[in-house]
Amino acid sequence: DAKTTQPPSMDCAEGRAANLPCNHSTISGNEYVYWYRQIHSQGPQYIIHGLKNNETNEMASLIITEDRKSSTLILPHATLRDTAVYYCIVRPSMDSNYQLIWGAGTKLIIKP
Amino acid sequence: GAGVSQSPSNKVTEKGKDVELRCDPISGHTALYWYRQRLGQGLEFLIYFQGNSAPDKSGLPSDRFSAERTGESVSTLTIQRTQQEDSAVYLCASSPTPWGEQYFGPGTRLTVT
Repeated sequence: DAKTTQPPSMDCAEGRAANLPCNHSTISGNEYVYWYRQIHSQGPQYIIHGLKNNETNEMASLIITEDRKSSTLILPHATLRDTAVYYCIVRPSMDSNYQLIWGAGTKLIIKP
Repeated sequence: GAGVSQSPSNKVTEKGKDVELRCDPISGHTALYWYRQRLGQGLEFLIYFQGNSAPDKSGLPSDRFSAERTGESVSTLTIQRTQQEDSAVYLCASSPTPWGEQYFGPGTRLTVT
């Protein structure tokens, strides 16, 4: 079973910030939070990851709560091309288990 | 630079036939993964390679499924005696390290008739 919980769907207006929540209440101290997205009919795309500090790159920002039990992915200025399913995944930093457990994700629809 | 490529992009085969799917990872990526994605569902892990060895084959659904990798380059996933339930998109990903971010190919859509 996935170790994360996400809302099944969200809408956001084009040009606004899209804030996608993720709960990972059972996360362990050495587990990272990863975000990927999958645009229709394409392979998943890596977005960002973090351990406990907030992270930012050219695609998005990742805000992780102090207790690390939840996080938010922020797309600062959403465009129509950001419509996709967004997956929040928890994985160990160094562990014998190499599997990523993919949940159902959040279907984000950007509306003009 | 070049991303992960997969071939063929689409494959239609008759039930009972064998199929071979190919993945070319990003050059220099030591880790390679295969996933299966059924229509409308999330990704299922199949197998992981570190170099040309496969320390984790736990996701292979049956002994009809096998995979190999040549050095730190191309990998092939073989499905023998295909069944209709094998119809899915098969995705390959590579990573510079075993626990790093994964970069995915476009997938091979397999349809078993």
